[in-house]
Amino acid sequence: GENVEQHPSTLSVQEGDSAVIKCTYSDSASNYFPWYKQELGKRPQLIIDIRSNVGEKKDQRIAVTLNKTAKHFSLHITETQPEDSAVYFCAANGSGGSNYKLTFGKGTLLTVNP
Amino acid sequence: SQTIHQWPATLVQPVGSPLSLECTVEGTSNPNLYWYRQAAGRGLQLLFYSVGIGQISSEVPQNLSASRPQDRQFILSSKKLLLSDSGFYLCAWSGRGETQYFGPGTRLLVL
Repeated sequence: GENVEQHPSTLSVQEGDSAVIKCTYSDSASNYFPWYKQELGKRPQLIIDIRSNVGEKKDQRIAVTLNKTAKHFSLHITETQPEDSAVYFCAANGSGGSNYKLTFGKGTLLTVNP
Repeated sequence: SQTIHQWPATLVQPVGSPLSLECTVEGTSNPNLYWYRQAAGRGLQLLFYSVGIGQISSEVPQNLSASRPQDRQFILSSKKLLLSDSGFYLCAWSGRGETQYFGPGTRLLVL
């Protein structure tokens, strides 16, 4: 099955700096890669996703890049703000006849210091 | 628009007691439904998923079970809770695409 590795597990940045979180996946048939943000005590919420037919997608201060050859994808947050502090999860859909399942990375705790 | 509900929001149960958590989805038909557990605030472990009424797939063998008695209702159960069952239980749904949307979760503490 699919295996997703996420790094780093914790990341601390100063307000205004950029933050980058990286994930690798194992199943070359994966074609959908979402990113979720989870604030303390709340549900994970989708913030951006990318499909394998594009290499980059942006939405205001966040962007995701995908390298299919290397099987890795990254989340980029620019001009970070304290409200960006949360746990971020990457995921990939894999295959095996059930690509509606998502395999999640273990999460990155991002802290933005004012 | 679609809405997903979970209840109860919090639950404190003694070891060995039964469990029933409920999840319902509104505003969509024939959704895929999922149960996840999150321990210690990190990591999403997929427990069960369902692609239709009465169709349940288990990802991790344990003392939990799931049922889908109606199209938009998903239930997580246990006959006897263990201390290790404590955690944050999240229900999620997806439509024709792969995007999953999570419910507000149930925080379970087993004492």
